[in-house]
Amino acid sequence: GAVVSQHPSWVICKSGTSVKIECRSLDFQATTMFWYRQFPKQSLMLMATSNEGSKATYEQGVEKDKFLINHASLTLSTLTVTSAHPEDSSFYICSAPTGTGTEGTEAFFGQGTRLTVV
Amino acid sequence: AQKVTQAQTEISVVEKEDVTLDCVYETRDTTYYLFWYKQPPSGELVFLIRRNSFDEQNEISGRYSWNFQKSTSSFNFTITASQVVDSAVYFCALSEAHTGNQFYFGTGTSLTVIP
Repeated sequence: GAVVSQHPSWVICKSGTSVKIECRSLDFQATTMFWYRQFPKQSLMLMATSNEGSKATYEQGVEKDKFLINHASLTLSTLTVTSAHPEDSSFYICSAPTGTGTEGTEAFFGQGTRLTVV
Repeated sequence: AQKVTQAQTEISVVEKEDVTLDCVYETRDTTYYLFWYKQPPSGELVFLIRRNSFDEQNEISGRYSWNFQKSTSSFNFTITASQVVDSAVYFCALSEAHTGNQFYFGTGTSLTVIP
């Protein structure tokens, strides 16, 4: 089956630094990828939609200047948390659909990245 | 408004008991997809099932079964003869055709199976 690889799986960084998280679709092309954030014991909340060849679409309340998204190719999207602060500590997970809504949706999720800002 | 509601926050059962996890969804689309995912402590999401809105057949896969009822907008998940390895957080999710594969997740149900 389709595989989405997310890297790193965990990272600890100092407050004020930036962290880049990669999401790759390994055996299929994804023009769209989604980034979610999950705080402890909470659900996954969509942060933004990453679009290959165009700007990302951010959900309300998500700072686009803080969470930079770049969909560099049909198999790679990156999320950069800039000037990270302790409140950014969370579990970040990406997903990539393999079809369109009318054809049938199959979404595969990366393994997630646990970010801890100290 | 919450599109997916999982009213049970935490459930504990003794091993070998059956357990049902509830999921109620809300959508105006006629074409949509419902999912269940398992999230063990390691964090990754494990895909369990996908149903489209035109297929109300119940499904059984080993000890897992799903009951999809459009009349009540519910998509419940039952684990038969639960095992300790079933302990995890389970998420129900909805994807609507018109929103391009964006997932709406419920708040999750944390299941603990006690040996």
